[in-house]
Amino acid sequence: GQQVMQIPQYQHVQEGEDFTTYCNSSTTLSNIQWYKQRPGGHPVFLIQLVKSGEVKKQKRLTFQFGEAKKNSSLHITATQTTDVGTYFCAGGGATNKLIFGTGTLLAVQP
Amino acid sequence: DTGVSQNPRHKITKRGQNVTFRCDPISEHNRLYWYRQTLGQGPEFLTYFQNEAQLEKSRLLSDRFSAERPKGSFSTLEIQRTEQGDSAMYLCASSSQGGHTDTQYFGPGTRLTVL
Repeated sequence: GQQVMQIPQYQHVQEGEDFTTYCNSSTTLSNIQWYKQRPGGHPVFLIQLVKSGEVKKQKRLTFQFGEAKKNSSLHITATQTTDVGTYFCAGGGATNKLIFGTGTLLAVQP
Repeated sequence: DTGVSQNPRHKITKRGQNVTFRCDPISEHNRLYWYRQTLGQGPEFLTYFQNEAQLEKSRLLSDRFSAERPKGSFSTLEIQRTEQGDSAMYLCASSSQGGHTDTQYFGPGTRLTVL
């Protein structure tokens, strides 16, 4: 079945450093969504990418969707302690269900 | 608050008991999803409804699990004869039909502990 993998599983950075998480799907996606989950919380929608090669920015966050629509990345510039949490990508395919990635847990040391 | 709500937030039960969870979606959303999340993993899709019709069920959803959305508004997820392996966070999400741009908004979840 369809699988979505993320690397790294865990990243520890000093506040102010940059952070990137990568997402790879075993199949072509119709769209990809990114979510952030704080410890003890629920996934909170960040953004959706639909077009091949699409790049979107939200303040310090930059999201990319690969040309083949099978991979994506999230880059955070100059991390802050408020960025702490697990970042999930979630692929949308032929049906409406989302296939979530394995997640990247980001720890930010002040 | 106009977001997705779930009740109860926590449920502790003994093995073999039945439990039922409720999800109230965002009011104008016609699609409703159930996911299950265990510690350290991403949410796993269980089932989804468009209005009152259950359109897809995961193979994860054994015959002990049943979900309903009788009037196309709130939904319930029932687990019969609970097992310790059912312990997880059960998440509900809703969206409005929009082709492939189906952004899903999650509720706070119901954390189930089976003793």
